[in-house]
Amino acid sequence: EAGVVQSPRYKIIEKKQPVAFWCNPISGHNTLYWYLQNLGQGPELLIRYENEEAVDDSQLPKDRFSAERLKGVDSTLKIQPAELGDSAVYLCASSLDGARSEQYFGPGTRLTVT
Amino acid sequence: GENVEQHPSTLSVQEGDSAVIKCTYSDSASNYFPWYKQELGKRPQLIIDIRSNVGEKKDQRIAVTLNKTAKHFSLHITETQPEDSAVYFCAAHPQGQNFVFGPGTRLSVLP
Repeated sequence: EAGVVQSPRYKIIEKKQPVAFWCNPISGHNTLYWYLQNLGQGPELLIRYENEEAVDDSQLPKDRFSAERLKGVDSTLKIQPAELGDSAVYLCASSLDGARSEQYFGPGTRLTVT
Repeated sequence: GENVEQHPSTLSVQEGDSAVIKCTYSDSASNYFPWYKQELGKRPQLIIDIRSNVGEKKDQRIAVTLNKTAKHFSLHITETQPEDSAVYFCAAHPQGQNFVFGPGTRLSVLP
């Protein structure tokens, strides 16, 4: 079984530029999470999807961040415009459902904003 | 909302010794507690988990214990090996809500 796939793995951009990250969850997993992880810290939730519905986006900075999950499978997270403080690893994770099941992470996208 | 604390933040042990990492949580609605291992530059990997209807779970050299009354759970690694060196994260999951992660413990196993 393939794991969670993310691309790109690394991205370097200048501040004020846009950037997008893509995630393909494990097949059959209805719940998808986007996390931000700063160096030496635990993952912090940005947004959680149940199928195509964003059920919790309370931690997503909506002035510059947006996300979508068309058809309830793949998801894209976008930042426009990027700021220096957005430099971090962006992790995608999926689980069978949001109630009880195990959560599996993708390899992450390491974003550097210069 | 849920809050998860994790101790210690760093832990160094000699190869072959045991390591214990402890987490506390605040929301009594949490019923699922996973542990993740993250090596440098890699994804967090689920290594063991426990549900609230169980007090202890073991998988080879790794075990997790849960005390629901005190709202704490612990990761135990026996016969540590250099490849156990990594950052370990605990998490708590209130049913139907979001996972909340601890700040992590950096474990170093010294040869």
